[in-house]
Amino acid sequence: GENVEQHPSTLSVQEGDSAVIKCTYSDSASNYFPWYKQELGKRPQLIIDIRSNVGEKKDQRIAVTLNKTAKHFSLHITETQPEDSAVYFCAATPTGANSKLTFGKGITLSVRP
Amino acid sequence: GAVVSQHPSRVICKSGTSVKIECRSLDFQATTMFWYRQFPKQSLMLMATSNEGSKATYEQGVEKDKFLINHASLTLSTLTVTSAHPEDSSFYICSAREVRSGGAGEQFFGPGTRLTVL
Repeated sequence: GENVEQHPSTLSVQEGDSAVIKCTYSDSASNYFPWYKQELGKRPQLIIDIRSNVGEKKDQRIAVTLNKTAKHFSLHITETQPEDSAVYFCAATPTGANSKLTFGKGITLSVRP
Repeated sequence: GAVVSQHPSRVICKSGTSVKIECRSLDFQATTMFWYRQFPKQSLMLMATSNEGSKATYEQGVEKDKFLINHASLTLSTLTVTSAHPEDSSFYICSAREVRSGGAGEQFFGPGTRLTVL
């Protein structure tokens, strides 16, 4: 089955700096890669996703890049703000009616004011 | 759009009782719903995949007789924790996937249920 590794486990940045979170996956059949943000005690919120037919996707301060050859994808947050502080999970899944997301362990991002 | 609700948000019960948690997709139809549990500072652990009108598929190590799942309609799935014990205390989260999105579509999460078993 799929195995998703996420690193680092914690990341602290100064407000205004950029943050990069990396994930690797093992199943070459995976072709959908979402990123979720989870604040303490709340539900995971989908913040951006990418499919394998593109290498990069951007939405305002957030971008995701995908390298299928190396089987890794990264979340980029620019101009970080204190409200970006949360746990971020990456996930991967192949297509198919029986597909299911495999999550990374999560990274705690702290943005220092 | 794509709102998933979950009820109750918090429940405290005595050991040995059963607890039912409901997951509803409010503005879309979901052929597939997923049930996760999450321990503090850990990732989401998939417990089972629930398909409308059929039996749930449980992940390895998850007791199907303890965690009963019913997916009676395209907008409702329920998880019943039977004979709950303190070790079942956790954050239970459901998610739903839209019908039209096919296989690897977006999953939308419910707000979670905090279960505390005394």
